[in-house]
Amino acid sequence: QKEVEQNSGPLSVPEGAIASLNCTYSDRVSQSFFWYRQYSGKSPELIMSIYSNGDKEDGRFTAQLNKASQYVSLLIRDSQPSDSATYLCAVKDRDDKIIFGKGTRLHILP
Amino acid sequence: NAGVTQTPKFQVLKTGQSMTLQCAQDMNHNSMYWYRQDPGMGLRLIYYSASEGTTDKGEVPNGYNVSRLNKREFSLRLESAAPSQTSVYFCASSEITEAFFGQGTRLTVV
Repeated sequence: QKEVEQNSGPLSVPEGAIASLNCTYSDRVSQSFFWYRQYSGKSPELIMSIYSNGDKEDGRFTAQLNKASQYVSLLIRDSQPSDSATYLCAVKDRDDKIIFGKGTRLHILP
Repeated sequence: NAGVTQTPKFQVLKTGQSMTLQCAQDMNHNSMYWYRQDPGMGLRLIYYSASEGTTDKGEVPNGYNVSRLNKREFSLRLESAAPSQTSVYFCASSEITEAFFGQGTRLTVV
């Protein structure tokens, strides 16, 4: 069974600080990696996607991928109260199957 | 531009009743997915369809059936609902990259 692991949290970060979210995956041949944000009672929405080793930056968000270590991370700079949500890591394999982790609850402290 | 549309948004069933959750996407995506979300469990894949005419089991397929009616529509059927199937169900679609989600169906089985 392919697995995606995340620390469930909650992760508490002061406003303005950097939030660091981590994810590991078991399927070595996974192709695509995603971070979704989900507010309570809402659908998941895409924050970042990454497909190759290294860093990818988009505004305050940076995704990092290390395929050798089977590790994906998301950094949120200058954290805002509106960033408080559950962050879901997702991995897509060659058969188009997308598996999610259980999510990390992030709480930004004003 | 509707994206992914799920019906119904809310449903209460009695144990043993059957029902079908409907999902349609207007983005011409090949892949479609059904997930369930329970508290603290993230999104768990029930079934997915990588293309019209194909369906595959996900992580938690027991008690469910699916039909990929055409490229736009992917339905999820509960033949004999059980209280353990009380959950929020999300449909999603994807084409090469990330998945886009519907607004979810909150199902309660009493």
